[in-house]
Amino acid sequence: QVQLQESGPGLVNPSETLSLTCSVSGGSVSNYYWSWIRQSPGKGLEWIGHIYSSGSTKYNPSLNSRVTISVDTSKNQLSLKLSSATAADTAIYYCARDARMVEGHATLYYDYNDVWGTGTTVTVSS
Amino acid sequence: EIVMTQSPATLSVSPGERATLSCRASQSVNSNLAWYQQKPGQAPRLLIYGASTTATGIPARFSGSGSGTEFTLTISSLQSEDFAVYYCQQYLKRPGTFGQGTKLEIK
Repeated sequence: QVQLQESGPGLVNPSETLSLTCSVSGGSVSNYYWSWIRQSPGKGLEWIGHIYSSGSTKYNPSLNSRVTISVDTSKNQLSLKLSSATAADTAIYYCARDARMVEGHATLYYDYNDVWGTGTTVTVSS
Repeated sequence: EIVMTQSPATLSVSPGERATLSCRASQSVNSNLAWYQQKPGQAPRLLIYGASTTATGIPARFSGSGSGTEFTLTISSLQSEDFAVYYCQQYLKRPGTFGQGTKLEIK
């Protein structure tokens, strides 16, 4: 059973880079898309972006200029970097697996999430 | 981006009764709609995808319906563990967007 665990600093200074890691256990990161999603009282659930195990990425346009998502297949980990952090980036950050279905010889990928990490709270404040 | 609107914001229902939650999309998402359940201190859990397909391990009392812009999540006979916040999400177009949630509380 695949499990995801986010980790990283719980407190980030304004204007600095927010950096988180997601460790995947019980399965491989290979051949899946992996998303970062955040949740705050003000904006609710917000998709940040996702990455395929090959390294191909898509980001939310609202965050595109500040976000970098990467994958390390040797460590079975994902990472998130969000530059120039502000108080508006204060949230619970989740990593999640995007759904995948195999139908015959075809593999179909969907942008909903069937496995979620437990989440990590990040506060941006001095 | 597609805006998802859920109603009501809070729904009070007695255990054993039926609960009906609504979700509306600002434009058609066909059947690219998922429902999640979130309990305090936990991550969201996938309940329904494809508007009406129940995810693995989800009890049969949960069902989804709708297509286009109007969707419904029905819980046929509420159990104590079902009181939580429920979110809908469209995944037709990126960025995938979530509704603001419906809190299902005990009446």
